[in-house]
Amino acid sequence: GENVGLHLPTLSVQEGDNSIINCAYSNSASDYFIWYKQESGKGPQFIIDIRSNMDKRQGQRVTVLLNKTVKHLSLQIAATQPGDSAVYFCAENSSGGYNKLIFGAGTRLAVHP
Amino acid sequence: GAVVSQHPSWVICKSGTSVKIECRSLDFQATTMFWYRQFPKQSLMLMATSNEGSKATYEQGVEKDKFLINHASLTLSTLTVTSAHPEDSSFYICSAVSLSGNTIYFGEGSWLTVV
Repeated sequence: GENVGLHLPTLSVQEGDNSIINCAYSNSASDYFIWYKQESGKGPQFIIDIRSNMDKRQGQRVTVLLNKTVKHLSLQIAATQPGDSAVYFCAENSSGGYNKLIFGAGTRLAVHP
Repeated sequence: GAVVSQHPSWVICKSGTSVKIECRSLDFQATTMFWYRQFPKQSLMLMATSNEGSKATYEQGVEKDKFLINHASLTLSTLTVTSAHPEDSSFYICSAVSLSGNTIYFGEGSWLTVV
C-alpha cells in the first residue's frame, strides 16, 4: 500500500476487451479495500469496495477480487470503453477505523479504439 | 449524493507566503477529514487526519508547523500551507467521513503552484 515510484505503470487495452488491474497491499490487518478511478486534474472517484471477509464482489462491469493470502487485489473491467481511460488506485483501510486510507501506487489504463 | 467541496480549485502564490485551502462537506457532517497530497504521476499520499474540535494527527514526515490544519466545525476543515516554497506545489485533496463512518467522500482537489 505505500505509494512509491515516479512513473505510473500503464495498461493498454483495446476497446471492448477486458482489463485487469492489479494491486499489492502492505498491511495484513487491513480489513477494507476500495478501488478508485482518477481522471486528470480531478479527485478520486469511487468504483467498488470489498471487505476482508469476502474474496469477490461484483458491480456494474467491474469485479474486485481479494486474495488475503498474498495480499493482492485486482480490478476487472469488462468490455473496456474509452471513458474508462484514467488512473486507477487501490486503497486499504489499515487503521481499523476512521476510514484512514492508504493508497497504492496506481496504474494508468489507456483504452485504444 | 453527498458532496465534498474544495476551495480554491487552483491557486498561485509567491514563495514565502501562506495559502489556505478549504474542505467543506456540503450536505453531511464529518467529524473526520483527511488531507492528501499528490505530485504529478504519483499516488495520493496521506498528510494528516483532521479531527473536529481537536488537533490534527500528522503522518510521519509531514511538518505540522508548515501544514496547519483546523477543523473548527463538522463541515469545514482548512489546510494552510505556511511559508510556501516551490516544492510545495502539488495537488491537495481532502476526504470526509460521514458521521455514520460508513462512507468516504473525496473532494475534487486543489492545485497549488508556488512561484
